[in-house]
Amino acid sequence: AQSVTQLDSQVPVFEEAPVELRCNYSSSVSVYLFWYVQYPNQGLQLLLKYLSGSTLVESINGFEAEFNKSQTSFHLRKPSVHISDTAEYFCAVTLSYGGATNKLIFGTGTLLAVQP
Amino acid sequence: SQTIHQWPATLVQPVGSPLSLECTVEGTSNPNLYWYRQAAGRGLQLLFYSVGIGQISSEVPQNLSASRPQDRQFILSSKKLLLSDSGFYLCAWRSGLAPGELFFGEGSRLTVL
Repeated sequence: AQSVTQLDSQVPVFEEAPVELRCNYSSSVSVYLFWYVQYPNQGLQLLLKYLSGSTLVESINGFEAEFNKSQTSFHLRKPSVHISDTAEYFCAVTLSYGGATNKLIFGTGTLLAVQP
Repeated sequence: SQTIHQWPATLVQPVGSPLSLECTVEGTSNPNLYWYRQAAGRGLQLLFYSVGIGQISSEVPQNLSASRPQDRQFILSSKKLLLSDSGFYLCAWRSGLAPGELFFGEGSRLTVL
């Protein structure tokens, strides 16, 4: 079975500083990987995803994540954060094959707290 | 485009009372539907999922049940709420054709007193 580990429950960072949110997964087979963002009292929104192809994927608001198969990681990075990036971030994994019963397995989340 | 609606947004209920949370999806057909619960500091817990009308799979034994009376409608229910049922409930859908991302509703915050 797959699993996802987000070791950092909270990451404080100053505005305009770089940030990395760590995500490691466990799976013996091929997977798809996702990062979601959740603002207070809202649902989750997809930030970016890796399905196949280039191992570096980017979002429209400056985040990027790199799929590293050898290290089973999918860390999320941003070179310069804004106050508006303050939110909880969830990493998720699902099998890359199979049908409707495939589930998305989520990590426990990392709260990114951007300070002025 | 596809949209997902979830209601009510906020609910305060006494212990032992019933519960009904509703979720509908528009703009797609035969979606896979999911109910998650989010408790503080514990991430997302998958409660139920459905691949078709009347087809419900339960992930954890609990005080809750789910139903799918129509293709794009998913309902979370309880006959008697417990304090431990408090949390943020999220409905989500994804295409039934291939594995991929989930699309979430805005969530329903349930407080059981």
